[in-house]
Amino acid sequence: GQQLNQSPQSMFIQEGEDVSMNCTSSSIFNTWLWYKQDPGEGPVLLIALYKAGELTSNGRLTAQFGITRKDSFLNISASIPSDVGIYFCAGQPLNEKLTFGTGTRLTIIP
Amino acid sequence: DAGVTQSPTHLIKTRGQHVTLRCSPISGHKSVSWYQQVLGQGPQFIFQYYEKEERGRGNFPDRFSARQFPNYSSELNVNALLLGDSALYLCASSLVTSGSRETQYFGPGTRLLVL
Repeated sequence: GQQLNQSPQSMFIQEGEDVSMNCTSSSIFNTWLWYKQDPGEGPVLLIALYKAGELTSNGRLTAQFGITRKDSFLNISASIPSDVGIYFCAGQPLNEKLTFGTGTRLTIIP
Repeated sequence: DAGVTQSPTHLIKTRGQHVTLRCSPISGHKSVSWYQQVLGQGPQFIFQYYEKEERGRGNFPDRFSARQFPNYSSELNVNALLLGDSALYLCASSLVTSGSRETQYFGPGTRLLVL
């Protein structure tokens, strides 16, 4: 099935570092969502974006809806051990299904 | 308030059998969507239901079917199971089914293993 291009695929960082990841699509989206998934569990919603250019924060997390409506970015500041997991972007055109990115696996090196 | 609930949590079946997975949405949510997530990939859309009607279907064979009940809970049925059906099956509920502000909240999933 169709998926968004999400990068990087994996990241190895030290605790305290900042993290950036992004998603791109060939289609225009009306909604961008960012989820975090821990092993064996369902995705947990982090941030929802509904408007081009929108910048939204949730604690140490900040996400932006790209101006072109074909991309989105997620930043995590001052990473902590509980940030470990897989991050997925998901985009949705108007009246169409939600499409997920390929995921970014975040690992924190002690 | 309870989030999205799914049952069972784990299931082991053999090839050719059928399986029924169940989902209860967040209270007040009328839309339920089903996704399949195989190891190492993002969730893939299977179905969306709203007010007991199918509103969308992904690229899955007819062996996959679903329905939504008057209380907005939902079942996903898979017939003639194949080894490749082994995956985490996720249910998500949302408050609206279309427009610019639909946000889907996921349940913990049902882990299906087909032997």
